[in-house]
Amino acid sequence: NAGVTQTPKFQVLKTGQSMTLQCAQDMNHEYMSWYRQDPGMGLRLIHYSVGAGITDQGEVPNGYNVSRSTTEDFPLRLLSAAPSQTSVYFCASNPGTVVSYEQYFGPGTRLTVT
Amino acid sequence: AQKVTQAQTEISVVEKEDVTLDCVYETRDTTYYLFWYKQPPSGELVFLIRRNSFDEQNEISGRYSWNFQKSTSSFNFTITASQVVDSAVYFCALSESPTGGGNKLTFGTGTQLKVEL
Repeated sequence: NAGVTQTPKFQVLKTGQSMTLQCAQDMNHEYMSWYRQDPGMGLRLIHYSVGAGITDQGEVPNGYNVSRSTTEDFPLRLLSAAPSQTSVYFCASNPGTVVSYEQYFGPGTRLTVT
Repeated sequence: AQKVTQAQTEISVVEKEDVTLDCVYETRDTTYYLFWYKQPPSGELVFLIRRNSFDEQNEISGRYSWNFQKSTSSFNFTITASQVVDSAVYFCALSESPTGGGNKLTFGTGTQLKVEL
């Protein structure tokens, strides 16, 4: 299993540009989520999904869109990038069962918006 | 609303010293789950432990141990005989997910641990 994969690893955008951060998992996990990590603020939940076709907002959803058309993929879209979206983005997945133990995190995407 | 506080921003120790990382949480739920993650300089997040709210037994795994106290809403992490490889940022996190899966995690701001020779 490749686990949780994210592309790209690094990205530089100009203000106003749009882009999609890709996230995929091959573990057949129902739950997937996106977090952003900023210095001194830990990780904050952006959006999450409990299954294909179902998404919901987290703590900091503004400026981001998500969709979940398949169990495997959970892309994060920035519609009009802003410098405040400069951050490291982590995708995570989880089996979504009572006995499931951990959130599996991807390696992260470092995004800079100039 | 749930909240996790890691008051120690940065800790520096000399190798072989013991070190305790503090974590205090707030939640209104009676069932919840607490986690610790390690983020080494390479940037990935490494799962260390999950503890549920109805299991207050302390846990030891090698040089790592965790002390869960519901009375003080704390879930502290101790590294015994620290090593340079322990240098990392450590995050405490809380989930109120009914499935216990930790899908929606609330993270603390992290504690940077530096272990020097």
